[in-house]
Amino acid sequence: GAVVSQHPSWVICKSGTSVKIECRSLDFQATTMFWYRQFPKQSLMLMATSNEGSKATYEQGVEKDKFLINHASLTLSTLTVTSAHPEDSSFYICSARDPETSYEQYFGPGTRLTVT
Amino acid sequence: AQSVAQPEDQVNVAEGNPLTVKCTYSVSGNPYLFWYVQYPNRGLQFLLKYITGDNLVKGSYGFEAEFNKSQTSFHLKKPSALVSDSALYFCAVRGRLNYGGATNKLIFGTGTLLAVQP
Repeated sequence: GAVVSQHPSWVICKSGTSVKIECRSLDFQATTMFWYRQFPKQSLMLMATSNEGSKATYEQGVEKDKFLINHASLTLSTLTVTSAHPEDSSFYICSARDPETSYEQYFGPGTRLTVT
Repeated sequence: AQSVAQPEDQVNVAEGNPLTVKCTYSVSGNPYLFWYVQYPNRGLQFLLKYITGDNLVKGSYGFEAEFNKSQTSFHLKKPSALVSDSALYFCAVRGRLNYGGATNKLIFGTGTLLAVQP
């Protein structure tokens, strides 16, 4: 099946700094990628939909200036958490939609962000 | 409103026994339904999907799910549970637009922790 990778798998940063998380589709081209946030023992919350070559679509309540998304190529989307605060600590998961199998999303392994 | 409900936070089952993880949905039109499994500190792994056709869908690792339109349910089942099946299971439905078309967004349930005792 299709493989999606994320880097880094975990990161610790200081409050006020910015962190970039990469999401790559390894064996297919993804015109659409999704970014989710998951709190402990909770479900996934969709943050934004990332479309290659255009601006991301953010869900209600998600600050676009804080969570910058760039989808510059068909295999790479990045999420930058700007001016991170401890409340941004979470598990961030990306997924990519393979247009060849249009109904499925393939998920990355996730990135654990801890802001101290 | 479009939603997915997983009524059980946790399901406990003995190894070798059959298991069922429940899911009900609310979406207009014909639903596209999915089950995913998540192991600790990992992303989601696709198990199976229902798009159309046979109501009984077979997926990975011996799991299957039955689509029941009248009960708006899509329960996940396995005839004989393994300890290695212990994980967090998510049911999801693909969202619908107001005019009836499908979106790319997945709406997830809150997850059910499956614990299989040896």
